[in-house]
Amino acid sequence: GEDVEQSLFLSVREGDSSVINCTYTDSSSTYLYWYKQEPGAGLQLLTYIFSNMDMKQDQRLTVLLNKKDKHLSLRIADTQTGDSAIYFCAEINAGNNRKLIWGLGTSLAVNP
Amino acid sequence: EPEVTQTPSHQVTQMGQEVILRCVPISNHLYFYWYRQILGQKVEFLVSFYNNEISEKSEIFDDQFSVERPDGSNFTLKIRSTKLEDSAMYFCASSEGQIQILRPPYEQYFGPGTRLTVT
Repeated sequence: GEDVEQSLFLSVREGDSSVINCTYTDSSSTYLYWYKQEPGAGLQLLTYIFSNMDMKQDQRLTVLLNKKDKHLSLRIADTQTGDSAIYFCAEINAGNNRKLIWGLGTSLAVNP
Repeated sequence: EPEVTQTPSHQVTQMGQEVILRCVPISNHLYFYWYRQILGQKVEFLVSFYNNEISEKSEIFDDQFSVERPDGSNFTLKIRSTKLEDSAMYFCASSEGQIQILRPPYEQYFGPGTRLTVT
């Protein structure tokens, strides 16, 4: 079945770049997403990438997609303390286009 | 900016009781979803709802669960005869439309969640 995996924790210093990685199993994934969850808040869509793209940049965020290896990454440039949160990778495909399949989430800690 | 709201933020109930979790989706959205996240586990899809009926449901969404849009604004999840393992964070989401190939995705907007504790 479909599965999405992420590393659980990442700790970086303020000002450094953060790279959060995700792997998925469904080769028919259509869209891949990154969601952010701050403490006590809901799940907020950060960015997404369509499966026929290799890279997408949005201000400080860069998403890289390696379809061959089924590997997705999110790079946050100049990481700030306000970026501390849990980051979820999720995917959706044309066959099950009504539901998101989620990773466990990566907890990003940004140290001053 | 419009947002999805959920009430209550935290619900404590005794095993065997029924609970209703409430959500107010964004007003012009047509698709509604419930997800849940058991502590330490992945967010899991429960159900999607469109045009006053269930579009898709997961294996988790058995007869114990039901959803309803009782009026033009609320979307509810009812859990009958709660069990200890129903303890989780329940997220409601809504979207304008559903995924179409080669078009930008309709974002699913999530509420802050209701933490359900079954004792």
